[in-house]
Amino acid sequence: AQSVSQHNHHVILSEAASLELGCNYSYGGTVNLFWYVQYPGQHLQLLLKYFSGDPLVKGIKGFEAEFIKSKFSFNLRKPSVQWSDTAEYFCAVNAYGNFGNEKLTFGTGTRLTIIP
Amino acid sequence: EPEVTQTPSHQVTQMGQEVILRCVPISNHLYFYWYRQILGQKVEFLVSFYNNEISEKSEIFDDQFSVERPDGSNFTLKIRSTKLEDSAMYFCASTSGTSGSNEQFFGPGTRLTVL
Repeated sequence: AQSVSQHNHHVILSEAASLELGCNYSYGGTVNLFWYVQYPGQHLQLLLKYFSGDPLVKGIKGFEAEFIKSKFSFNLRKPSVQWSDTAEYFCAVNAYGNFGNEKLTFGTGTRLTIIP
Repeated sequence: EPEVTQTPSHQVTQMGQEVILRCVPISNHLYFYWYRQILGQKVEFLVSFYNNEISEKSEIFDDQFSVERPDGSNFTLKIRSTKLEDSAMYFCASTSGTSGSNEQFFGPGTRLTVL
C-alpha cells in the first residue's frame, strides 16, 4: 500500500518569499503524483500532476514540482509567493496502471500562510 | 468546462438518522470515488466504484455505508445510521478511465454535521 508524508505542517512566509513544500511517498511500484490545493472554504483543486516524462512539471499559478525517483520525493515549489497562495496543500499519489481503482492516497497536508 | 457537482452543500442530521449524499460525476466518466475529510485532518479514501460495483473500499467504509448509481447519472453515498464521528466533508470524484494515469476531478463537497 502506498503512503505519503508531508513533513511541513504549517509554513508561514512573507509575500515574495520562495516556497518549497516537501512530499515523500512510499510505494514499491510506479506512481502518479499530484499536488492539490484547498483554499479556505473551497474544494480540492489540482495544481499539477506527474505521470511520466520530464520530472519537472509545471502547474497553475506559477507552481512547479520535481519528481526525484531516487528520493521518492515530489516537492512543490514557487519562486515568489503571493498572499492569495494562503491555503492548504496536499500531496497525493496513486498506483500507476491500476485500472479502475486509482484511489488517491493523500498526505496530511501543509497549511501555508502568507503574510502581506 | 465539465465539473463534478454535489448536493447538498451542507447536511445537518441527528445521530442515528440515515443520510444520502448525492454526486453527479462528469458525464463520460466511468470511475467514481468517495473521500472524506474530517475537520483538520487529511483527505481519506472511502470507496471506488466501477461498472455498478465497488472496486475497493477502505476500512472506514463499514456496513453502515453503501454506494449506488441508481440512474446512470447520480452517484450516491448512503450512511444508514449516522454517528457523531461521521461528521466530515465528503468529496465525490470521477475519472474517465481511458488510461492508467487519470486525473481525478473533485466535487465541491458536502459538509455533514451529525448532532
